[in-house]
Formats: sequence, structure tokens, C-alpha cells
Amino acid sequence: ETGVTQSPTHLIKTRGQQVTLRCSSQSGHNTVSWYQQALGQGPQFIFQYYREEENGRGNFPPRFSGLQFPNYSSELNVNALELDDSALYLCASSLTPGGLEQYFGPGTRLTVT
Amino acid sequence: ELKVEQNPLFLSMQEGKNYTIYCNYSTTSDRLYWYRQDPGKSLESLFVLLSNGAVKQEGRLMASLDTKARLSTLHITAAVHDLSATYFCAVDNNNDMRFGAGTRLTVKP
Repeated sequence: ETGVTQSPTHLIKTRGQQVTLRCSSQSGHNTVSWYQQALGQGPQFIFQYYREEENGRGNFPPRFSGLQFPNYSSELNVNALELDDSALYLCASSLTPGGLEQYFGPGTRLTVT
Repeated sequence: ELKVEQNPLFLSMQEGKNYTIYCNYSTTSDRLYWYRQDPGKSLESLFVLLSNGAVKQEGRLMASLDTKARLSTLHITAAVHDLSATYFCAVDNNNDMRFGAGTRLTVKP
């Protein structure tokens, strides 16, 4: 058991709405990365947060934003939802940005209709 | 831009057989990961390979890394049904983890 939790498990939203997904990292892990995994594809890196600051970003538009809090929790916010945002969203925590191991949470399945 | 390619994308094999999954990547990296994902589940870390010639084994799975060829392999020995899953390789690109498309493995009795 990795100790990384995510909520909610499943979520259904309508196009144009906003959504907030939550992740609780393993205790002591000050780095969290978020990934989007569309059905049948590999995960795609969205961004990474380290000590509450964005520390790297993949090829995602600004409507994907994040926050990291001192208590090892973090959020992924997506504004103006599009149908293509339907995916499994995974967070992964690590001890440091260059940490050897990332521990993945169970994911949040987002469906946009 | 770093690209990671896996093949095959789909693999159906019989129990007891051996097979190899290949992972090619386009730029230099000092870390290569293999993950397993069961349907509807998250990613389970299998191996982390750090240097040229690295070989790691766990049960019926063995992973190797050739950094000069930018190639990693995941070899399956005497497959069993429990190995049915999707396997991803991933390359660390300065904290930007790039994943392959995955190999969906089905092991049939």
C-alpha cells in the first residue's frame, strides 16, 4: 500500500464546468505530480509541484492548474471542461523532485458529458 | 522532444511461453521505469533501471537497459494468467515522466 489517496473516485461533469480533484501524498513526500490517462493510452504528465510551487509542466493548457498545501495534500483544477478531458487522473508523490520512486494513487475517473 | 515507443501494443500468449516487450526512447535519460496496470487500477511499479547494462528480475519478469541503443526490454518467462495486464515503460526527462503507449498482455491457458 503506497499511502497515496485520491478523491473522488469517480466524477461526472458537464462540458464548460469546472472540477477540482484532490490528492493526499505519502507523509514526508514534498513532491507531487499529476497525470492524465485517456482510455487505452499511457499517462501524460500534466505538472509537478514541489514545496507548493509548480516545478515543471507538460503540454497542457493553462485551464489545468494546481495547488499544493503544506500538509502534503494537493489539488488539480480544470476549468472550462471539454469532452476530451474525460480520463483517469493520477497523482504520484515522491520524496523529492528527482526522487527515484513515484508512488501513484488509485486515480479519479472523470467523465465529461 | 522525448518519445517513448513500445512494441508490441497487444500481446496474446499462452501459459508457459516466453516473450519480450520492447521499449525504445529517443533521447538520453538516466532512468527507465516499468509499470504494471490492471484494468481500472492505478500503476504498480515493477522496476527502475538506472545504468547501462542494468538487469533486474522479479519472479517471471526480467527487465534490462541498453542506454547506448536507448532500448529497454521486459522479458516474460513461462507466462501465467496472473501476468495479464498492461505494461508501461516510462523515461524520466528532468522530472517530466514520459510513458509509452503500453503493451496489453493477455495470457491464455
